[in-house]
Amino acid sequence: DAGVIQSPRHEVTEMGQEVTLRCKPISGHNSLFWYRQTMMRGLELLIYFNNNVPIDDSGMPEDRFSAKMPNASFSTLKIQPSEPRDSAVYFCASTVSRYEQFFGPGTRLTVL
Amino acid sequence: GENVEQHPSTLSVQEGDSAVIKCTYSDSASNYFPWYKQELGKRPQLIIDIRSNVGEKKDQRIAVTLNKTAKHFSLHITETQPEDSAVYFCAARTEMEYGNKLVFGAGTILRVKS
Repeated sequence: DAGVIQSPRHEVTEMGQEVTLRCKPISGHNSLFWYRQTMMRGLELLIYFNNNVPIDDSGMPEDRFSAKMPNASFSTLKIQPSEPRDSAVYFCASTVSRYEQFFGPGTRLTVL
Repeated sequence: GENVEQHPSTLSVQEGDSAVIKCTYSDSASNYFPWYKQELGKRPQLIIDIRSNVGEKKDQRIAVTLNKTAKHFSLHITETQPEDSAVYFCAARTEMEYGNKLVFGAGTILRVKS
């Protein structure tokens, strides 16, 4: 199994541009989580899906952030418009059980 | 909601010594407590976990203890080695009607000096 796949691995963009981060969970996993990691705020849960349905989006910082999961094998996190304070590493994680979450390699986002 | 506090924020030990990281949680209904290790530039990876019906669990040089009454749990690493240097995160799982989520502590930077 390839594990959780995220793309791109690195993204550099200018303030105001739209950014789309992509995640492919491990096949058969039914829960998917988007996290943001920064030095100041640590590892924050943004949103999570169960069976493709958004369950808790209370961690999404602003309306500029949106996430979708159109099917069991794909999810996107979109930031529009992006701002320098959105610079962070964004992780996607998935799980099939109520226990271990498997993290993807992350996307390092830099907004200039 | 659940709140997880982790201490210390940084920890330096000499190779071969033990390291202990402590976490407290607020929601008495939380029932699953994993520990993740994150090496520089890498993803967090699960190293050990404990469920609320168990007081202690060991896996080679690492162990986790849980005190449900006091709502705290700890990670113990014995005979530390340079490759143990990383950031360690504790977490607690809150069960919700339609899913579960982990709440993470702020992390502990462990440095093992050789």
